[in-house]
Amino acid sequence: IAGITQAPTSQILAAGRRMTLRCTQDMRHNAMYWYRQDLGLGLRLIHYSNTAGTTGKGEVPDGYSVSRANTDDFPLTLASAVPSQTSVYFCASSDSSSGQGGADTQYFGPGTRLTVL
Amino acid sequence: GQNIDQPTEMTATEGAIVQINCTYQTSGFNGLFWYQQHAGEAPTFLSYNVLDGLEEKGRFSSFLSRSKGYSYLLLKELQMKDSASYLCAVRDSNYQLIWGAGTKLIIKP
Repeated sequence: IAGITQAPTSQILAAGRRMTLRCTQDMRHNAMYWYRQDLGLGLRLIHYSNTAGTTGKGEVPDGYSVSRANTDDFPLTLASAVPSQTSVYFCASSDSSSGQGGADTQYFGPGTRLTVL
Repeated sequence: GQNIDQPTEMTATEGAIVQINCTYQTSGFNGLFWYQQHAGEAPTFLSYNVLDGLEEKGRFSSFLSRSKGYSYLLLKELQMKDSASYLCAVRDSNYQLIWGAGTKLIIKP
């Protein structure tokens, strides 16, 4: 593995079903993020984790949950999918150990295209 | 509220220069990022500005004026592969990135 991987690449899901999007990074970054990207809108933060064992809510957290059991993995779960959750989902990570004065650049996975019918 | 404004779409000619503007209103400022995103792909990091002035990196340069809440990305010697969306993002007082909707750049031969 090099960088960040996401699975699945794409998925069509019936409304009401449960779905977990997987994200794994091998850069030993302490911070990880989940975004959704919709046409005409900027990336919107769903949830984030500054370090293993901690998570936080972003701008659009409703209907989603995350866990961060270890440094490498940050799965995103839709408990009961709805059509408005149709989107492209990106996972990202950054090395915030560079401190608040550093760039703390976020690096993105290839994305998961999710369609909820 | 927090807001990042960029033009929706721009067209330029191969070999020319194009400037993509970004204005922002955010709660606090801890740096501004530019990312490139080709269709169907992930955003990739281009540049980071935290102090006023111009940062040059090969054919790409990025400028920041914190007092004006303004940045631009300058692309020189345009190539067809530069056809992509360019995303402006500002890190706010909570150290979260606020993203613009992106500027789709179309390069014509």
